[in-house]
Amino acid sequence: DTAVSQTPKYLVTQMGNDKSIKCEQNLGHDTMYWYKQDSKKFLKIMFSYNNKELIINETVPNRFSPKSPDKAHLNLHINSLELGDSAVYFCASSGTGGQPQHFGDGTRLSIL
Amino acid sequence: QQQVKQSPQSLIVQKGGISIINCAYENTAFDYFPWYQQFPGKGPALLIAIRPDVSEKKEGRFTISFNKSAKQFSLHIMDSQPGDSATYFCAASSTSGTYKYIFGTGTRLKVLA
Repeated sequence: DTAVSQTPKYLVTQMGNDKSIKCEQNLGHDTMYWYKQDSKKFLKIMFSYNNKELIINETVPNRFSPKSPDKAHLNLHINSLELGDSAVYFCASSGTGGQPQHFGDGTRLSIL
Repeated sequence: QQQVKQSPQSLIVQKGGISIINCAYENTAFDYFPWYQQFPGKGPALLIAIRPDVSEKKEGRFTISFNKSAKQFSLHIMDSQPGDSATYFCAASSTSGTYKYIFGTGTRLKVLA
């Protein structure tokens, strides 16, 4: 019964390709997030959705487009992949009112 | 103003010792301070969290000390065990507004058997 699950776990692809990462949470949370963890393990927020509405959009290139079909799912589509996109991408979710965020186990994206 | 500074970058402790990781923030609007533990190949997992209305919170071997006036908080791991070897992240957020986490840069802890 994984609380926050991401697919795929690993993604290896060529520069210039388009790829998607999927995230689902079964915690009944209203808010979902995407974080990027770089090679130095630094974690940075990219996007957040609350009840399917975008509430956080950090300075992320337009090539990254999140989509939330319902409050239990938040997907991340990346166009025209670049070498610098190589990282681990984490999905997280939280309830309202300052509840802690719960993270998935990440998707390791490697660009060749 | 959005930064959270974390130190040390890495830490080696003998089994049974005390591990101490420190964080400092600047934004006085922050009112929620969680600590996360991350093992290789896994996502960060919530360890313990504190709000600024208390100066200390203890859960088992893990204690957060919070100094509001200094805008600093720290994680103490008592009786450190090899199984505690992981990367630890502090974070800060404001529970009003977007509630995004600002993470520290992480501390890689190794506990020697």
